[in-house]
Amino acid sequence: AQSVAQPEDQVNVAEGNPLTVKCTYSVSGNPYLFWYVQYPNRGLQFLLKYITGDNLVKGSYGFEAEFNKSQTSFHLKKPSALVSDSALYFCAVRPANAGKSTFGDGTTLTVKP
Amino acid sequence: DGGITQSPKYLFRKEGQNVTLSCEQNLNHDAMYWYRQDPGQGLRLIYYSQIVNDFQKGDIAEGYSVSREKKESFPLTVTSAQKNPTAFYLCASSIRTGVYSNQPQHFGDGTRLSIL
Repeated sequence: AQSVAQPEDQVNVAEGNPLTVKCTYSVSGNPYLFWYVQYPNRGLQFLLKYITGDNLVKGSYGFEAEFNKSQTSFHLKKPSALVSDSALYFCAVRPANAGKSTFGDGTTLTVKP
Repeated sequence: DGGITQSPKYLFRKEGQNVTLSCEQNLNHDAMYWYRQDPGQGLRLIYYSQIVNDFQKGDIAEGYSVSREKKESFPLTVTSAQKNPTAFYLCASSIRTGVYSNQPQHFGDGTRLSIL
């Protein structure tokens, strides 16, 4: 069975500082990994994904994520945080050829001016 | 614009009542999903469908039912057997599963269900 852990319920950073939101996963076989963002009372929006190849994946709004197979991690990063990045972030994993994804419990990111 | 439409945005259920949440997509996606979101618990999969006239139970299917009679529609019924239905319900779709399972899901803006 697959699982995803987001070890931090809350991450606080100052505007302009780098941010990291952590994600670790457990899955049989090769994983497809995703990050989504959710604003209040809205659905999730796709940010980026890892399928294969380069371990550093670039996505929307300046976000990137680093895949580390040995540590089974897929941390979300951004070099310089904006107040508008404040939202709820979800990591998700889907095994290749699987019909469904498993989501983490989410991490609330707060960026203070 | 293509997307997923969920309706209504807010819904109230009385004791012993069944209610149906609508989900329509015009993305021509084969796969559709229903999730339940509770505070601090992330998304939990209720049901999913990979093709018309077929669907599978997710992790928390008890007290819920679905149908998939058309590609673009995947309504969710919350039955009276679901004793704690208060939650935010999200519908999603993806282009295909199987060898295309590397594609992201697209989400609607949710329906918030409360008990009267």
